[in-house]
Amino acid sequence: DTGVSQDPRHKITKRGQNVTFRCDPISEHNRLYWYRQTLGQGPEFLTYFQNEAQLEKSRLLSDRFSAERPKGSFSTLEIQRTEQGDSAMYLCASSLAGQPSSYEQYFGPGTRLTVT
Amino acid sequence: QKEVEQNSGPLSVPEGAIASLNCTYSDRGSQSFFWYRQYSGKSPELIMSIYSNGDKEDGRFTAQLNKASQYVSLLIRDSQPSDSATYLCAVGKGYGKLTFGQGTILTVHP
Repeated sequence: DTGVSQDPRHKITKRGQNVTFRCDPISEHNRLYWYRQTLGQGPEFLTYFQNEAQLEKSRLLSDRFSAERPKGSFSTLEIQRTEQGDSAMYLCASSLAGQPSSYEQYFGPGTRLTVT
Repeated sequence: QKEVEQNSGPLSVPEGAIASLNCTYSDRGSQSFFWYRQYSGKSPELIMSIYSNGDKEDGRFTAQLNKASQYVSLLIRDSQPSDSATYLCAVGKGYGKLTFGQGTILTVHP
């Protein structure tokens, strides 16, 4: 059973560029979550999907951020016109809704974004 | 008031001692409670989950939940230097988002 995977692991980009991150959840998991974490803080919720449906999006998420999960498997998170304040670790997690332990979310290794 | 609050520490304990980490939350409707361990530069790793009042033990770890007091704690017995990490308390409702505290830095010194 492979865990959650994320690609790339590191991304350096210039301000104003667009970036896209990919997350592959644990294979049987139907829920997928995106969080962002800055130094010294806990992860902050961005959005989540059940299968292909996006069920909640944080109001902190600007219009520059968009996420998709087109076939209910992998997900992408795109940031348009990046700003230096977008520099953070972007974390993906997955869970399996409907089972006794299904509230548990398991995180991938993260994508560290640096905007110069 | 923050939704989930933890002492940021650092908490320093000698090897072999009990480390006690605390967390309070503000939403009385919260249903699920988790402790994650995060090593520097790595992603959070789930170590304990608890859903009902009382204690839950798993090896050297014990999670305690008191919903009336809106309080969650994690005890680590026989602390080891490898337990040195940031411990994140997370609170959830149903299958939705988790809300995290800022984390407590734990240092176990030989």
